[in-house]
Order: sequence, then structure tokens, then C-alpha cells
Amino acid sequence: ETGVTQSPTHLIKTRGQQVTLRCSSQSGHNTVSWYQQALGQGPQFIFQYYREEENGRGNFPPRFSGLQFPNYSSELNVNALELDDSALYLCASSFGTGGNEKLFFGSGTQLSVL
Amino acid sequence: AQKITQTQPGMFVQEKEAVTLDCTYDTSDPSYGLFWYKQPSSGEMIFLIYQGSYDQQNATEGRYSLNFQKARKSANLVISASQLGDSAMYFCAMREGGYSSASKIIFGSGTRLSIRP
Repeated sequence: ETGVTQSPTHLIKTRGQQVTLRCSSQSGHNTVSWYQQALGQGPQFIFQYYREEENGRGNFPPRFSGLQFPNYSSELNVNALELDDSALYLCASSFGTGGNEKLFFGSGTQLSVL
Repeated sequence: AQKITQTQPGMFVQEKEAVTLDCTYDTSDPSYGLFWYKQPSSGEMIFLIYQGSYDQQNATEGRYSLNFQKARKSANLVISASQLGDSAMYFCAMREGGYSSASKIIFGSGTRLSIRP
């Protein structure tokens, strides 16, 4: 158990819709990162939030956006869903943003776009 | 350019045997960290071991050890005395930079390890 919880666990949406995924970080962690993991691949970095500010972004379009709240919980929002957005979305929390800080992952949200 | 390479898509190992999972990486940053994560079928990524680029000794965590060969840019994971519960996907990952403000972790494509009883 990492203390990182994600909701919902599974979600089915149709193309063009919008979706919000939620993450509750481990207690004391001020940094949250979001990753997209397509079937059979390694996770791909979407973005990172540190103390409520986005401070790093991977190669994802602006329709992927996020929020981090004062209690360090977080949301990932995806607008105008496409079929290729179908994937496991993983949230990871850490204390700090670099060095040897290891990420603690949740179990993910499996998103299917039809 | 791919920065983390895991060349073994799948491996089968007999229970109680040792197993080595290969990982090579590419970076021009002198400061970086290397991680191994385990992902069982439940989906959660479980941290196994960390090696910093300036660490002089190979990292060890219980049955896990990291064979770090800096000149070859290699960071293989060694699991001693494998157990049935070790069956999972294993990902090698790298973070570039030190305590920078946006140091993302890059993952390899993974190796699926299956332990035979």
C-alpha cells in the first residue's frame, strides 16, 4: 500500500467527451505527477505539479490539463477525448521534485474511449 | 531518441533461481538517477530500487540488487532466489538532473517476468 488512491478505477467514455480523473497523494507529499500507460508500453510522463503549480510537462497536447489543490490532491482533465486516449492513467506522489525522490504510485484509472 | 532500453520483452525463470533483467540508458546529463519498478497485474507501480549516478556502490534492497556499469550505461536488475510472487512487469526508469524543478522520470518498455514453480 502506497497511500496514493485514484478514482475511479475504471471509466468508459465516448469520443469527444471530457473526463476528470482524481488522485489523493500520500500524506506529506507535495508533488504529484501524472502518467499515461498505453497497453503493452511503459508509462509516459504527462505533467507534474509542485505546490499547486505545474512545473513540468511531457509531450501531451493542451487538452490534457491538471490541478493540484492545497491538500495536494490532484485532478487530471482531458477534453475532446480521442480513441488513442484509451490507457491506464497513473498518478504518483513524492516529497520534492528531483534527486533520488522515489515516486509512490496509485493503482491507476483504466480509461476506455469508444 | 529512446533513452531507456529494455531488450527482453519476456522471460521465464524457474522458482528459486536468480534472474537478471537488462536495462541500458542514454543521457548526456552527468547527474541522473536510475529506478526499477515492478507492476503486477493490479496495475500499481511498486518501487524496488534506486541508483544515483554518483553512487560508488551498487544499490541493494533485500533480494534486489542493481548492477550499475556507468561506462556502459547499463543498470541491470538482479533478483536473487526468485519467488512465484515476482511474476510481473518490470520497468527500468531514469530521472535526469538533480534537484531541479521539473525532473520527470522516463520509463522503458518493460520486461514481463514469469516464474515457473
